[in-house]
Amino acid sequence: ETGVTQTPRHLVMGMTNKKSLKCEQHLGHNAMYWYKQSAKKPLELMFVYNFKEQTENNSVPSRFSPECPNSSHLFLHLHTLQPEDSALYLCASSQAEGQGTKNEQYFGPGTRLTVT
Amino acid sequence: LAKTTQPISMDSYEGQEVNITCSHNNIATNDYITWYQQFPSQGPRFIIQGYKTKVTNEVASLFIPADRKSSTLSLPRVSLSDTAVYYCLVGGNGQNFVFGPGTRLSVLP
Repeated sequence: ETGVTQTPRHLVMGMTNKKSLKCEQHLGHNAMYWYKQSAKKPLELMFVYNFKEQTENNSVPSRFSPECPNSSHLFLHLHTLQPEDSALYLCASSQAEGQGTKNEQYFGPGTRLTVT
Repeated sequence: LAKTTQPISMDSYEGQEVNITCSHNNIATNDYITWYQQFPSQGPRFIIQGYKTKVTNEVASLFIPADRKSSTLSLPRVSLSDTAVYYCLVGGNGQNFVFGPGTRLSVLP
């Protein structure tokens, strides 16, 4: 148990569906992240939020829409996904103290997404 | 953007010490070096972090030479449960933080 929870753990959705992934951290951190991990590929950083402000968007398609209502919660809204979007989606949090300082991220268990 | 290079895979036997070296020639002055462990279908788990010289915790040791252009993760007396992918990262707070393919460690009985 890392102090970061994600729901749901598994999700199957059609290409026309709209769903949301939820992440919650209980560590008092002020930075949160979404990563995507496809089969046998490295983790890809998707979005970064520092103090609820989005500071990074790594050219992610608009069918992925993040939302960070407060420093403890992070959502990833999904719509009109493609089969190639099937992957493990991981949320992480850390205590941001400015650029270039320590980075110790705590990851949730992930949501296994399958797009049919 | 500091990039890291690690061996793609390594094999070891139970009870041996395993050393995984990571190259990061373009590391910035303020960057820390962080290592993570990942088991299949789970999120990465923080192992150890350092800035220079040597850091040791209950899980591993991290050796960093004076020029900081490389680092070595040392796992003492590995067991089968240490079979995982190990990632070396440099940077801080996600803005310049990239996971490479990591090193797939296989511990054999």
